Amino acid sequence: QQQVKQSPQSLIVQKGGISIINCAYENTAFDYFPWYQQFPGKGPALLIAIRPDVSEKKEGRFTISFNKSAKQFSLHIMDSQPGDSATYFCAASYNFNKFYFGSGTKLNVKP
Amino acid sequence: DAGITQSPRHKVTETGTPVTLRCHQTENHRYMYWYRQDPGHGLRLIHYSYGVKDTDKGEVSDGYSVSRSKTEDFLLTLESATSSQTSVYFCAIRGGNSTYNEQFFGPGTRLTVL
Repeated sequence: QQQVKQSPQSLIVQKGGISIINCAYENTAFDYFPWYQQFPGKGPALLIAIRPDVSEKKEGRFTISFNKSAKQFSLHIMDSQPGDSATYFCAASYNFNKFYFGSGTKLNVKP
Repeated sequence: DAGITQSPRHKVTETGTPVTLRCHQTENHRYMYWYRQDPGHGLRLIHYSYGVKDTDKGEVSDGYSVSRSKTEDFLLTLESATSSQTSVYFCAIRGGNSTYNEQFFGPGTRLTVL
């Protein structure tokens, strides 16, 4: 049973548009929700993360929206650029021990 | 890649043979993790370590064992490789002493079991 469900599987966005990736979880004990970006042939790299005591976190063009009651969180990429084309993973963790990842979203930003 | 190396980077082996993958870090981080990445499954935790000789199972630990005899090295062993273990394996490290406890990932090892 997958602990974190991610959608969509793939996403095509025009340059300058907004990319939105959604994740849902069941375990209410999760207390740390990171997003990772992965380029082909590389390991994932932390993009942005949020704790459940805040509803939104913004870093540059990247924003996490967190809805604790719905057990959902999403990544918004504003002004999407071709260089943002990558695979994005959401994840969740309890007390920073085990990390559970979503299945990934392959983003393609068209020039 | 934050002082993490994995070896080998690519390996092709045959069903039934033992395989050991090595993760080496130069960051002196306490926590180390082994994940496998498969299409449609994201990354799944195999085993992790919270100190020398201290390890615990992850989601998909069957068929895998680990050892950590030194802070800098975390070994993943497939005792008898099967085709279902064909995957890309990533090692990650975490310091455990900062607010967000970021995980840093290695470059990965592509393993093919024929």
